[in-house]
Amino acid sequence: EVQLVESGGGLVQPGGSLRLSCAASGFTFSGYWMTWVRQAPGKGLEWVANINQDGTETYYVASVKGRFTVSKDHTTNLLYLQMNSLRGEDTAVYYCARGGPAGLYFDSWGQGVLLTVSS
Amino acid sequence: DIQMTQFPSTLSASVGDRVNMTCRASQSVSTWLAWYQHKPGKAPKLLIYAASKLGGGVPSRFSGSGSGTEFTLTIDSLQSDDFATYYCQQYDSYMCTFGQGTKLEIK
Repeated sequence: EVQLVESGGGLVQPGGSLRLSCAASGFTFSGYWMTWVRQAPGKGLEWVANINQDGTETYYVASVKGRFTVSKDHTTNLLYLQMNSLRGEDTAVYYCARGGPAGLYFDSWGQGVLLTVSS
Repeated sequence: DIQMTQFPSTLSASVGDRVNMTCRASQSVSTWLAWYQHKPGKAPKLLIYAASKLGGGVPSRFSGSGSGTEFTLTIDSLQSDDFATYYCQQYDSYMCTFGQGTKLEIK
């Protein structure tokens, strides 16, 4: 069974940094694209970042480019999102998800982790 | 970037109804289009991919159609469990985008 479990959320001050983790199990982690999607309070889903199977290609939404870095560790089956220079508008529930076998739709999702950026 | 627009924003319906909701892309995405169901506090769930292919374990009352820039999600014979927010997502580009969602409410 595919499982994705996010961790690392919390309260951080504007300008601060935080790293989210997503523990993957039940599938061959190195064989799939992975993604981060977020949902700000009262808003819809927003795609944040994609990373390809071997971690050599990454893509970001314009609002986080240069501040966020997505990475994969195939030895521990962990997906990461390093977030720097955090802003209030980054406050959201962050979900990790697995890319599908036939394209960049997302066929399995974690339960999400809350990041609050506030002073 | 490819913009995705969903309408209506809110849809009121009753158990047993058939409903349609629409997703429009700012440029052609071929059939690289997925639909998700999302309930508060839960993980989003894949319903449809490739515009019309049913995700694993998804009931057959859900169906998708369309190509290019206009897509439709249809739910036949609404069940109480179907009241949720529905999102479309294009994956024609590595820079994916979601629509703003259609909230399906009980009439």
